[in-house]
Amino acid sequence: SQTIHQWPATLVQPVGSPLSLECTVEGTSNPNLYWYRQAAGRGLQLLFYSIGIGQISSEVPQNLSASRPQDRQFILSSKKLLLSDSGFYLCAWSALGRGYNGYTFGSGTRLTVV
Amino acid sequence: RKEVEQDPGPFNVPEGATVAFNCTYSNSASQSFFWYRQDCRKEPKLLMSVYSSGNEDGRFTAQLNRASQYISLLIRDSKLSDSATYLCVVNIREGTGFQKLVFGTGTRLLVSP
Repeated sequence: SQTIHQWPATLVQPVGSPLSLECTVEGTSNPNLYWYRQAAGRGLQLLFYSIGIGQISSEVPQNLSASRPQDRQFILSSKKLLLSDSGFYLCAWSALGRGYNGYTFGSGTRLTVV
Repeated sequence: RKEVEQDPGPFNVPEGATVAFNCTYSNSASQSFFWYRQDCRKEPKLLMSVYSSGNEDGRFTAQLNRASQYISLLIRDSKLSDSATYLCVVNIREGTGFQKLVFGTGTRLLVSP
């Protein structure tokens, strides 16, 4: 069966520090991968999605970047965090070309920028 | 207009009550619809897909009205464990052909003893 792993679960980082969040999927090949952010009391905002290795699409201009160095690995990064980057970051996957089957989410990383 | 709109609630209901949530979406070309459940400080989890003919899964019934661009979720015989936020989700097809899911901000349900 397919599983998705995301870490760390919780992170407290100072303003201006770098960020690296990692997500891996097991039990499937060529997944679509997604990074979402959920700010406190707000809905899920799609940040990036990827349909293959090295293929990244950005949904909103921001202080963050994403990379997909391997088929089942998706990384969210920042060179310098802002206070506004605080939130709940969720990685998700779906079968390639089949977003109509819904997404499966990782357990999320709660990031607090101080 | 937001792509997916939901009443944020909260809906406070007693155990055993029937409660209904509604959702509207703006993109008439959307083809896939879902309800997700999100517990406090947890990731969203797929509750059920929503089909044109309507569908039921135990105490949960989902309905879709394409003409009105309206989706509903009915929960019968509410349990304490149903307390959560329910997210309405719609697929959007990009100009590139890529399909992505857009999430509503959610409706919070609180079931009390």
